[in-house]
Amino acid sequence: QQQVKQSPQSLIVQKGGISIINCAYENTAFDYFPWYQQFPGKGPALLIAIRPDVSEKKEGRFTISFNKSAKQFSLHIMDSQPGDSATYFCAATLSYTGNQFYFGTGTSLTVIP
Amino acid sequence: NAGVMQNPRHLVRRRGQEARLRCSPMKGHSHVYWYRQLPEEGLKFMVYLQKENIIDESGMPKERFSAEFPKEGPSILRIQQVVRGDSAAYFCASSPLFRKETQYFGPGTRLLVL
Repeated sequence: QQQVKQSPQSLIVQKGGISIINCAYENTAFDYFPWYQQFPGKGPALLIAIRPDVSEKKEGRFTISFNKSAKQFSLHIMDSQPGDSATYFCAATLSYTGNQFYFGTGTSLTVIP
Repeated sequence: NAGVMQNPRHLVRRRGQEARLRCSPMKGHSHVYWYRQLPEEGLKFMVYLQKENIIDESGMPKERFSAEFPKEGPSILRIQQVVRGDSAAYFCASSPLFRKETQYFGPGTRLLVL
């Protein structure tokens, strides 16, 4: 059973546009939701994370929106740049156990000049 | 300020051989996690270790796979008698004691089984 579902699988955005990636989770006990950015041949790098006690978190051009009742969260990349072209993974975990992350299947983002 | 280190970065093995993947966590981190990433897929949890202890190995295949994190030295993921289906990228992550949810990933080891 896929604990975290991510969409779309791939996304093409014009430079300066907004990229939006969506995730939905199953387990209401999850309490930490990070987003990771991965470039080809590299390991995932933590981008931004949110806890369910807030509905939005912004860091620079990256914003997470969180909807607890719908069990959904999304990543918004404002003013998308070609350098943002990468694969993005959402994840969820139970922070008090310190155990595994459940990852989405990834979104390949391409920002065209 | 070295991050999580993994070696080798690339490993080629023939079917039936053993693969040993090493992971050195970030300085001050006491938790290590191993994940496997198949092509075009997300990361799948394998095992979570602290020094000298396996905390959660619910994602490990029941046979041929083992992991350790000794008191001294790196964490080791060992795959015995490799098969073609073991070809994947294996990532290690580490986290500090009091921020276990903050996992930092290494660059990965890409295993190719011929």
